[in-house]
Amino acid sequence: DAGVIQSPRHEVTEMGQEVTLRCKPISGHDYLFWYRQTMMRGLELLIYFNNNVPIDDSGMPEDRFSAKMPNASFSTLKIQPSEPRDSAVYFCASRQSPGSNQPQHFGDGTRLSIL
Amino acid sequence: AQTVTQSQPEMSVQEAETVTLSCTYDTSESDYYLFWYKQPPSRQMILVIRQEAYKQQNATENRFSVNFQKAAKSFSLKISDSQLGDAAMYFCAYLSNFGNEKLTFGTGTRLTIIP
Repeated sequence: DAGVIQSPRHEVTEMGQEVTLRCKPISGHDYLFWYRQTMMRGLELLIYFNNNVPIDDSGMPEDRFSAKMPNASFSTLKIQPSEPRDSAVYFCASRQSPGSNQPQHFGDGTRLSIL
Repeated sequence: AQTVTQSQPEMSVQEAETVTLSCTYDTSESDYYLFWYKQPPSRQMILVIRQEAYKQQNATENRFSVNFQKAAKSFSLKISDSQLGDAAMYFCAYLSNFGNEKLTFGTGTRLTIIP
């Protein structure tokens, strides 16, 4: 079975540009999570969806960040305008319900570098 | 809020030997889940093992086992017969069973395997 698929794997862009990260969850999984990983702050949950509906976006750092899930098989995380401090690895993860004991399956991450 | 602490930023072990990675957590909840994730240089987050708090029996997965001490809020990972492929960052994580889907991670332990 295909795992969580993220694209692109690497993204390098100049500050001020719009960045869009993409995620395809595992088929049948109805929870989707976006994380950010930095050396300073470790792994942080940014936002998560259940059945395509955003449930908790309290981890989204600023209004420059937005996430959407238009259907069960696709989600985007957008940064506009991007800043150098947004440089990090962004992970998408998904899991199925019911039961919190179902583990989250992570994608390979997108390494984002803002120059 | 829950917190997860990994007090060993780095550990090393001789190949074929046994190593234990420490994790403590703080929570007022009685029902939750604990996980160990592995992040090799390829960056992918891989689930190693999980433990339900209501189970007294320690979880095992082949060479990986945990020592779960609920009263002490301790959740250590033991790797037996260490292999070169075990070299990675290891993250301990906590998940509440009360509807909050936020997975709280520790800061990680970098494990080096010495040939």
